[in-house]
Amino acid sequence: QKEVEQDPGPLSVPEGAIVSLNCTYSNSAFQYFMWYRQYSRKGPELLMYTYSSGNKEDGRFTAQVDKSSKYISLFIRDSQPSDSATYLCAMNTGNNRLAFGKGNQVVVIP
Amino acid sequence: DVKVTQSSRYLVKRTGEKVFLECVQDMDHENMFWYRQDPGLGLRLIYFSYDVKMKEKGDIPEGYSVSREKKERFSLILESASTNQTSMYLCASSSPGLNTGELFFGEGSRLTVL
Repeated sequence: QKEVEQDPGPLSVPEGAIVSLNCTYSNSAFQYFMWYRQYSRKGPELLMYTYSSGNKEDGRFTAQVDKSSKYISLFIRDSQPSDSATYLCAMNTGNNRLAFGKGNQVVVIP
Repeated sequence: DVKVTQSSRYLVKRTGEKVFLECVQDMDHENMFWYRQDPGLGLRLIYFSYDVKMKEKGDIPEGYSVSREKKERFSLILESASTNQTSMYLCASSSPGLNTGELFFGEGSRLTVL
């Protein structure tokens, strides 16, 4: 079983819709959970991180962690064309050695 | 503005050639990483380093080696390039002691091996 599972299917939504992305993981010892955003022909950049279970909100972005289910989610409200990117979940396995999901390509259609 | 610079954005090499991918960071970070990114496979860790002259194997080190002679520079070496090493290579750095998982990535080096 892989450490992090993220269904890599692409996602197209109309502008203004809510985007919902999720990942599952296998190691219950993980404590730090990240979402990275990667624009085309660029390196990934950290979007949000969450410690342990709970929600974290940053503007239109909300990250949720459910440690009991080993499940993390990212929600993008009022999606904009500028949100079109690949979103990767990641978990810190220790000293910033990260295990990444495969990523979801999101396209927001004006 | 913090920066991780990968000197070559696009390279085309022939099978059997030795390939050097260079990465330099200006943030005085101890930790540096090399990943490769392939469609449908995500980011996979090749090698990492927590200090000068120190290196650790990641998840897919076969066919690669690394060099870290200076803190700011981490080089990935393909001793004899093969077609299955055609990929996007991403270098990253981070500060130790922070568990937030914030890696700073370069823009990537797209390598094609013919």
